[in-house]
Amino acid sequence: SQQGEEDPQALSIQEGENATMNCSYKTSINNLQWYRQNSGRGLVHLILIRSNEREKHSGRLRVTLDTSKKSSSLLITASRAADTASYFCATAGGRDDKIIFGKGTRLHILP
Amino acid sequence: DVKVTQSSRYLVKRTGEKVFLECVQDMDHENMFWYRQDPGLGLRLIYFSYDVKMKEKGDIPEGYSVSREKKERFSLILESASTNQTSMYLCASSLLTEMNTEAFFGQGTRLTVV
Repeated sequence: SQQGEEDPQALSIQEGENATMNCSYKTSINNLQWYRQNSGRGLVHLILIRSNEREKHSGRLRVTLDTSKKSSSLLITASRAADTASYFCATAGGRDDKIIFGKGTRLHILP
Repeated sequence: DVKVTQSSRYLVKRTGEKVFLECVQDMDHENMFWYRQDPGLGLRLIYFSYDVKMKEKGDIPEGYSVSREKKERFSLILESASTNQTSMYLCASSLLTEMNTEAFFGQGTRLTVV
């Protein structure tokens, strides 16, 4: 069964606004990762946050992790047209190295 | 530049055919994965391998098998293709570490079974 569940399923915002996506998961993890997928292509890794971290930044990306609530959020600040893509959270950990993905959030940046 | 290469970008096969999807990585990664991606369902793990000749079933292994004879190559096999296996197939690899690392993906193979 899938581990991560992103929310919302789809999001449309104006260019320049901030975009926030959430992810909930079910079991214990070693880390949580966020990926981006442009239409019909492979996934690209954006950022990884370990289970003992609460917040991480990378450029315009900010990720938070709340292990007590089994949830994470991805914030993209000052959105651009090029940020239009699908975003997936993925969890890794437990007794094996499986990386399990959620269903994704489709983000559309309006000009 | 790290690379995961899938042998075909687009593939059309007939029902009942045996189909091989090949994936090669040049990063000396121990872990390799096969996922399928369908609209509204996200990525679902088919099979996972953490070493040569080692494999583990993912969430949806039925109708598929895999082969890992060399560290850099992970093949997905559809024993008898069916129309419900029409999908985008994504291969990925990652390092084997205690805290895990990111996965690197190939460009995907869009398979159509007619």
